[in-house]
Amino acid sequence: EVQLVESGGGLLQPGGSLSLSCAASGFTFSSYSMNWVRQAPGKGLEWISYISGSTTTIYYADSVKGRFTISRDNVKNSLYLQMNSLRDEDTAVYYCARLHHDFWSGYCDYWGQGTLVTVSS
Amino acid sequence: DIQVTQSPSTLSASVGDRVTITCRASQNIGPWLAWYQQKPGKAPNLLIYQASSLQGGVPSRFSGSGSGTEFTLTISSLQPDDFATYYCQQYYHVFLLTFGGGTKVEIK
Repeated sequence: EVQLVESGGGLLQPGGSLSLSCAASGFTFSSYSMNWVRQAPGKGLEWISYISGSTTTIYYADSVKGRFTISRDNVKNSLYLQMNSLRDEDTAVYYCARLHHDFWSGYCDYWGQGTLVTVSS
Repeated sequence: DIQVTQSPSTLSASVGDRVTITCRASQNIGPWLAWYQQKPGKAPNLLIYQASSLQGGVPSRFSGSGSGTEFTLTISSLQPDDFATYYCQQYYHVFLLTFGGGTKVEIK
């Protein structure tokens, strides 16, 4: 059974840093690209970052580029998101999601339960 | 950037109703569109991929259609478990996956 379990969320002040983790199991982690998607309270879904299985390709949404860093450890079957210079508008539930490749792109077929990050003074 | 617009934003319906949600892309994305269902406090759940392919385990009352710039999600006979928020997502570009704003299906 595919499982994705996020951790690391919490409450912090603007300008702070936080690292999120996503532990994967039930599939060959290194064979799949992964994404981080977030959802602000009461709002819709926002894709923020992508990393290929081999880590050779990484993308970010403009809203987090230069502040967030995605990475993965294929030995530990884990995905990470290092978040720096946090702003109030980064307050959201952060989901990791597996990408099912479909030709040159793909869709998110499995999602974790999410971890809440609250940025507030 | 490819924009994705969903309509309506809210939909009131009764059990047994046929429900249709529309998603429009700002440019031709071929069949590269997925639909998700999300219930309060839960992660999104994949329903449809490649515009019309049903994800395994998803009830057959859900169907998707369309290509290019206009897509629809149809629930043929709304069930109590279907009251939720639905999102479309274009994946024409893997480097910028964009979601629609969501459609909340409420009990009439």
